[in-house]
Amino acid sequence: AQSVAQPEDQVNVAEGNPLTVKCTYSVSGNPYLFWYVQYPNRGLQFLLKYITGDNLVKGSYGFEAEFNKSQTSFHLKKPSALVSDSALYFCAVTLYNFNKFYFGSGTKLNVKP
Amino acid sequence: DTEVTQTPKHLVMGMTNKKSLKCEQHMGHRAMYWYKQKAKKPPELMFVYSYEKLSINESVPSRFSPECPNSSLLNLHLHALQPEDSALYLCASSQKLADSYEQYFGPGTRLTVT
Repeated sequence: AQSVAQPEDQVNVAEGNPLTVKCTYSVSGNPYLFWYVQYPNRGLQFLLKYITGDNLVKGSYGFEAEFNKSQTSFHLKKPSALVSDSALYFCAVTLYNFNKFYFGSGTKLNVKP
Repeated sequence: DTEVTQTPKHLVMGMTNKKSLKCEQHMGHRAMYWYKQKAKKPPELMFVYSYEKLSINESVPSRFSPECPNSSLLNLHLHALQPEDSALYLCASSQKLADSYEQYFGPGTRLTVT
């Protein structure tokens, strides 16, 4: 069975510091990996994806993620956090021709001024 | 236009009511999705339409009835709901069915069943 784990319910970071939101996956095949962000009372917003190619993927709002096949991870990173980055972050995985996403449980990011 | 719109934003309904949720996109996407999301939980897939045909039904109770009248519009008809059906209902669309295509989400309809 396919699954995604986000081991931290919450991540706290000070504004200006680097942030990391962790994601690991378990799939039977080559994964397609996505990060989404959700602000309160809003839908999910696409940040970035890894399909193939360079393991370091750059996305919206200065976020990036690194695909690590050996560690089956796809951690989300940003060099300098902003208070406005505070939101709920979801990692998702799917497979070629699989037609559905598996979402992680979500990580609440709190960036304090 | 990279927007998925959903109406209404909020809906309160009794257990005997019939109501509908509406989702619209004008990006030319041919796959559309309904998700249910409880507070602080990930979205749970309910239905997937591809080229206006139902492709996936995740064993959703029949009190939820999806409809895709055309490539831009997706409805979710609600009847005889239970209080535990209260949730945020999200619509999404993608260029084609899942895999490498990112999904664009609407803002959701906050449903309360009394």
